[in-house]
Amino acid sequence: DADVTQTPRNRITKTGKRIMLECSQTKGHDRMYWYRQDPGLGLRLIYYSFDVKDINKGEISDGYSVSRQAQAKFSLSLESAIPNQTALYFCATSSGLSGEQYFGPGTRLTVT
Amino acid sequence: AQTVTQSQPEMSVQEAETVTLSCTYDTSESDYYLFWYKQPPSRQMILVIRQEAYKQQNATENRFSVNFQKAAKSFSLKISDSQLGDAAMYFCAYRRSVGSSNTGKLIFGQGTTLQVKP
Repeated sequence: DADVTQTPRNRITKTGKRIMLECSQTKGHDRMYWYRQDPGLGLRLIYYSFDVKDINKGEISDGYSVSRQAQAKFSLSLESAIPNQTALYFCATSSGLSGEQYFGPGTRLTVT
Repeated sequence: AQTVTQSQPEMSVQEAETVTLSCTYDTSESDYYLFWYKQPPSRQMILVIRQEAYKQQNATENRFSVNFQKAAKSFSLKISDSQLGDAAMYFCAYRRSVGSSNTGKLIFGQGTTLQVKP
């Protein structure tokens, strides 16, 4: 089984809808991250969390919120989706010791 | 703020040949990590190679090697004996040195799409 999983893998939604992207990990890592990938821009950090009670904004957090339900689960929500949130979203985890980041398979989100 | 720049949006190489992907970065830090990630059509982000800034020796992983020039803030990836399976988008990434006050976040370049011709 994959160490970092994301659901759904693909999603099409309409403008104004609320949507949640979920991430789970079995690596036992404390740090979790949400990135967004856009063509020509690479990946940019949306939110990150060091543990259940420690959540921090990244460089492009506007329009997004997150929830760290447990050490292994980190969800990203779009409260009211808009078309420019159409992108590929990645969850990643890392151990505080090694710092190596491990990525999930990504979620392709399309907002129409 | 740290930035990472990949100035080659697309590159192509003949199978079995060698290709070099360029990456430059800007930072005022002296201790940091640099990475190359591969993203094939499956979308999965795969770590190819990493380099610690305090190490003078260039990292090597099988057919993949880097040319790390700290003073020039340059970090290029060389792929030798290119294979069809190397076709992918490649991202250069930077991370500050791990520490208790460090976010551990990665700062990515724009990506370079590598085409391998048979």
